[in-house]
Amino acid sequence: AQSVTQLGSHVSVSEGALVLLRCNYSSSVPPYLFWYVQYPNQGLQLLLKYTSAATLVKGINGFEAEFKKSETSFHLTKPSAHMSDAAEYFCAVRGNTPLVFGKGTRLSVIA
Amino acid sequence: GAGVSQSPSNKVTEKGKDVELRCDPISGHTALYWYRQRLGQGLEFLIYFQGNSAPDKSGLPSDRFSAERTGESVSTLTIQRTQQEDSAVYLCASSERQGGSYEQYFGPGTRLTVT
Repeated sequence: AQSVTQLGSHVSVSEGALVLLRCNYSSSVPPYLFWYVQYPNQGLQLLLKYTSAATLVKGINGFEAEFKKSETSFHLTKPSAHMSDAAEYFCAVRGNTPLVFGKGTRLSVIA
Repeated sequence: GAGVSQSPSNKVTEKGKDVELRCDPISGHTALYWYRQRLGQGLEFLIYFQGNSAPDKSGLPSDRFSAERTGESVSTLTIQRTQQEDSAVYLCASSERQGGSYEQYFGPGTRLTVT
C-alpha cells in the first residue's frame, strides 16, 4: 500500500523567497512520485515526476524536487517565489495501485 | 490537441435526486480515472478503467455511486439518491496507460452541490 503525507496545509512566503513544500511517502514497492499544481477553479497540472532515472527532478515553472529514499521524502522547491506560484500543490505516489494523493499544501505568496 | 473535458462544469441538485457527470478523455488514452475532491481536502480515488479490463471500483464510497465507460471513450459517473455529503468537485483524468510513470491529465472538474 502507498500513502503520502504533506507537512503543512498552508505555506506562506514572500515574493522572491525560497519555496519549500514537504512530502513524505510510504510504499511497499519502488515508487513513482509526482507533484501536481492546482490553480483556482482548474484541474490539476503536472509539475514534475520521479521515475528513478535521476534523484533530482526538474519541472516546469522553475520547480524541482529531490527524491531521498533514506528519508522517504520528495520535497518540492523553487529558489525564488513569484506571485503566480500561488496555488494548491499536491504530492502523489504510485506503486502498484492508482495514484494516491496527499491532502495538499496551499501556497500563498506575499508581495 | 484537446485535453480532458468534463460536463457540466457546475451542477446543483436537490437531495435525493440522481446526477450524471460526464468525462471525455484525451483520444487514445486507455486509462480513465474518477476522483472526488471535497472542500479543503486532497483527491479521493473513486474508480478507474483500463482498456477493456474490469474497472477497479475499490474507491467507490457506496453503492449509490457507479460509473461506466464505453470502450476507450466517454465515461459517465452516476450518483443515485444524492446526499449533502456528496457535495464536492468531481475530477476526471486520463492517461496513456495505468501504472508506472504515465502522467495523468486532469479535466477541470464538475462542482456538485447537493441542497
